[in-house]
Amino acid sequence: QSVLTQPPSVSGAPGQRVTISCTGSSSNIGAGFAVNWYQQVPGTAPKLLIYDDTNRPSGVPERFSGSKSGTSASLAITGLLAEDEADYYCQSYDSILSGVIFGGGTKLTVL
Amino acid sequence: QVQLQESGPGLVKPSQTLSLTCTVSGGSIRSGGYYWSWVRQHPGMGLEWIGYIYPSGSGTTHCHPSVHRLVTISVDTSKNQFSLKVSSVTAADTAVYYCARLGALVWDFDLWGRGTLVTVSS
Repeated sequence: QSVLTQPPSVSGAPGQRVTISCTGSSSNIGAGFAVNWYQQVPGTAPKLLIYDDTNRPSGVPERFSGSKSGTSASLAITGLLAEDEADYYCQSYDSILSGVIFGGGTKLTVL
Repeated sequence: QVQLQESGPGLVKPSQTLSLTCTVSGGSIRSGGYYWSWVRQHPGMGLEWIGYIYPSGSGTTHCHPSVHRLVTISVDTSKNQFSLKVSSVTAADTAVYYCARLGALVWDFDLWGRGTLVTVSS
């Protein structure tokens, strides 16, 4: 069971907007530790999508955005494309574990 | 640009030691501000952080509590490599193992190796 909770799956039609939630606790997200998001196409390594809650690495489209409030964070994807179909993971740091934690992952299906 | 590449046996027998090496190219493993890490992914499952090493000084390491008794992470700065050893493996250690660079400021994995599948089977 992951320390960070994500919905197992989300779906949307091309062009639509979807959001993926990531719920933590007072020892990780709620403590102010950064939330990072990764995209993983099956069979490939994860790719950093959002870092430090809201920042996009160079080359990541503006369609991807992150937000954080309290003990939760969200990843929003607008203008869905077929190529966005992948697994998405949130990640942070936990002060009780004194280590890195991941969410269980969310499978995005583009209908 | 900096790249990471995992190497090691793809098949390990139960009770033996799993050994993997990550070679860092295009940059120095001693560059400040990063922890060098291992993450694994069991078949069809999510990502699991194993541990990291910070190459400065004696090489500070930290591992997930659930695996720390079985895991050793080391670094060879002369070869620009870091390594993972998991002892007394079982079938539950079958996974894709990734090496990754972990930023020390916001704990983000900004670079990943391609991953290597390690199967534990007799």
